[in-house]
Amino acid sequence: GIQVEQSPPDLILQEGANSTLRCNFSDSVNNLQWFHQNPWGQLINLFYIPSGTKQNGRLSATTVATERYSLLYISSSQTTDSGVYFCAAIPPDSGGSNYKLTFGKGTLLTVNP
Amino acid sequence: NAGVMQNPRHLVRRRGQEARLRCSPVKGHSHVYWYRQLPEEGLKFMVYLQKENIIDESGMPKERFSAEFPKEGPSILRIQQVVRGDSAAYFCASSPFWGNEQFFGPGTRLTVL
Repeated sequence: GIQVEQSPPDLILQEGANSTLRCNFSDSVNNLQWFHQNPWGQLINLFYIPSGTKQNGRLSATTVATERYSLLYISSSQTTDSGVYFCAAIPPDSGGSNYKLTFGKGTLLTVNP
Repeated sequence: NAGVMQNPRHLVRRRGQEARLRCSPVKGHSHVYWYRQLPEEGLKFMVYLQKENIIDESGMPKERFSAEFPKEGPSILRIQQVVRGDSAAYFCASSPFWGNEQFFGPGTRLTVL
């Protein structure tokens, strides 16, 4: 199956700093999603981005499908951005199971005041 | 628009008891997915259901676990005779169509004493 690798595994920032999180995947994708798991354990949808660029406030994401990676940008980070960021993907041909999201191991982001 | 609802948010059971986890998908979504997050294993697919049908339960343990998505009412993930190894966060997701973006609920954190 598809492999999803995220980097860095851990990241510590001061409030106000910018950051880039990376997601590499081993196959082409039909579905690529970014999530934020907050310190209370809730999983929050950030972006659905199998290709192209999207922006939502201080967050933006870019997926370069031909080169099999996606980037999540966080600008002017705030303490509430702390948590784990997951990338998850579905390849186009999964033996008929084109609905199983495969998750990376996540990037643990800590934003200090 | 209400998102995916899960209840309870936290559930404590003693070994041997039954756990019932409920998931109400986004209104109008007929595709439901369950994922489990074990402490050292990350988020993994368990089961995919459409109204009244189990499409793929390949990620669900064969024993003690079952899932349903009746014509009326929420999807239910049922774990019989729970063991300590079942302690995990269980997430439900829904989508309007097969293969689309999956919208995640806040999760149910199951603790088995």
